[in-house]
Amino acid sequence: GAVVSQHPSRVICKSGTSVKIECRSLDFQATTMFWYRQFPKQSLMLMATSNEGSKATYEQGVEKDKFLINHASLTLSTLTVTSAHPEDSSFYICSAIPQGHTIYFGEGSWLTVV
Amino acid sequence: QKEVEQDPGPLSVPEGAIVSLNCTYSNSAFQYFMWYRQYSRKGPELLMYTYSSGNKEDGRFTAQVDKSSKYISLFIRDSQPSDSATYLCAMSEADTGNQFYFGTGTSLTVIP
Repeated sequence: GAVVSQHPSRVICKSGTSVKIECRSLDFQATTMFWYRQFPKQSLMLMATSNEGSKATYEQGVEKDKFLINHASLTLSTLTVTSAHPEDSSFYICSAIPQGHTIYFGEGSWLTVV
Repeated sequence: QKEVEQDPGPLSVPEGAIVSLNCTYSNSAFQYFMWYRQYSRKGPELLMYTYSSGNKEDGRFTAQVDKSSKYISLFIRDSQPSDSATYLCAMSEADTGNQFYFGTGTSLTVIP
């Protein structure tokens, strides 16, 4: 199957700093990638849809200035959590659709804000 | 009403049991159906992908789609402790490209 890679898998940052998470499609081009947040024992919550070469589309309630998304190439999307606070601590997952109607997920990134 | 309903469990079975996981949906336009397995602290991994109605088998896993009842199932035969994970169903319409709808996930524990 298609491969979607995320980096870093775990990151700890201090409150008030910014942290960037990368999502790469390794063996296909992705014009669209998705970013999710997942709290323990809860389902995926779609945060935003990342579109190559254009602005991301954010879901209702997600602060676009807080969660900056950049999709600069067909294989890379980045999520930057700005001025992170402890309540931003979560599991962030990206996904992409190689073709057709199957979605592939990255391995996820654990963010801990201390 | 949610687009996709899935019993969150938790479901606990003895090793070797047959497991049945299910999702119901309300949108008759859904054509593509997927099952994902998510281990703790990992991203979801695609297990099965089915188009329209019918069955699909892959090793110990069988995916079943009943569009008339708007009901999909994932069966796991001879369950193993390594099958312990959360199982998510997902589906999409034929021509909406990027819109996917997920169940909330069912937590499964297979007891040795």
